[in-house]
Amino acid sequence: EVQLLESGGGLVQPGGSLRLSCATSGFTFSSYGMGWVRQAPGKGLEWVSAISGSGDYTWYADSVKGRFTISRDNSKNTLYAQMSSLRAEDTAIYYCAKYSGDQVPRYWYFDLWGRGTQATVSS
Amino acid sequence: EVVMTQSPATLSVSPGERATLSCRASQSVSSNLAWYQQKPGQAPRLLIYGASTRATGIPARFSGSGSGTEFTLTISSLQSEDFAVYYCQQYGNWPPQTFGQGTKVEIK
Repeated sequence: EVQLLESGGGLVQPGGSLRLSCATSGFTFSSYGMGWVRQAPGKGLEWVSAISGSGDYTWYADSVKGRFTISRDNSKNTLYAQMSSLRAEDTAIYYCAKYSGDQVPRYWYFDLWGRGTQATVSS
Repeated sequence: EVVMTQSPATLSVSPGERATLSCRASQSVSSNLAWYQQKPGQAPRLLIYGASTRATGIPARFSGSGSGTEFTLTISSLQSEDFAVYYCQQYGNWPPQTFGQGTKVEIK
């Protein structure tokens, strides 16, 4: 069974840091791009970041560029998001999601989502 | 950035009726458009990709159409489990990938 399981969320003060993890199973992890999508309370979905299957290529939303770093460990089948300089507006559920492939051109959509982990930025 | 606009924001439909949801892109994304369903407290689920291809396990009452800038998701006969929020997402011109603001399908 294909599974994505996020962890690492919690309460952090403004300016602080969090590291999210997404443990995966049931598919060949290194063969797929992966991404993070967030959802603020009562709001819609916001694409945050993506990474290629090899980890060589990364992409970010302007709202997190320079503060968030996406990475992956293909030996552990795990995706990460290092979030720093956190702001109140970063408060959201963060979903890990698997892309449909790793091919070029990168017409990738999300075909599987984790349940999400809550990150709350508040003093 | 490609801006995705969904309409209406809320759609009130009776069970068994047809629901038609719209999604418009600010520039052409060809057929690189996906639809997701999200129920309260749950993660989104892929329904449609490539504008019109149903994902694995998605019932035939869900259908997608369109290309370029205009897209439609149709639910032919609403079942109780279909009341949810639906999002479109473009993946033809990124970064960033962008989502519409969502359409809530509620019971009339």
